[in-house]
Amino acid sequence: QKEVEQNSGPLSVPEGAIASLNCTYSDRGSQSFFWYRQYSGKSPELIMFIYSNGDKEDGRFTAQLNKASQYVSLLIRDSQPSDSATYLCAVKGSSNTGKLIFGQGTTLQVKP
Amino acid sequence: AAGVIQSPRHLIKEKRETATLKCYPIPRHDTVYWYQQGPGQDPQFLISFYEKMQSDKGSIPDRFSAQQFSDYHSELNMSSLELGDSALYFCASSLTGINEKLFFGSGTQLSVL
Repeated sequence: QKEVEQNSGPLSVPEGAIASLNCTYSDRGSQSFFWYRQYSGKSPELIMFIYSNGDKEDGRFTAQLNKASQYVSLLIRDSQPSDSATYLCAVKGSSNTGKLIFGQGTTLQVKP
Repeated sequence: AAGVIQSPRHLIKEKRETATLKCYPIPRHDTVYWYQQGPGQDPQFLISFYEKMQSDKGSIPDRFSAQQFSDYHSELNMSSLELGDSALYFCASSLTGINEKLFFGSGTQLSVL
């Protein structure tokens, strides 16, 4: 079992819809959770981070964290074709070294 | 704002050759991480340095070595290259803290022929 798991997709949504991306993790001691967006051949770009249970909103993005269920999600409202990319869930585990463990990523396709 | 700088952007090598990748972290960041990302794969952690000392080690082959210098830049040295080493290599940096965030460079695309 991978430490961080995502549905690889592709997830296809029409323009203007809400895209929902999910991620589960195995290390109960994990403290910090991140969502990165990656376009093909480019570097991961940090778009959201969340540390506490509940929701965190930033513009069209909402991150949700449920530590009891070891589950983190990303909602993208009013999806745009430019949101089409791979979304990587990353978790900082219980070690103190700061490294992130990534999920395999979910490919999102937003159709005009 | 300054970002993480990696060089070279692309590198083509033949089997059994050596390669050196360079990374210049964001100013004042004290930790550098190296990741390897194969085609269609998630980034795999290789190694990290905090204040010029190795802080963690992941799935880095013995053929690879890395170090962080006094100016905080880091180099990843890869020897006896194999075809399977072809990948995107990312460097990331962070400023140590409870909720530190990693920022990635543009990566080096290594192709081993």
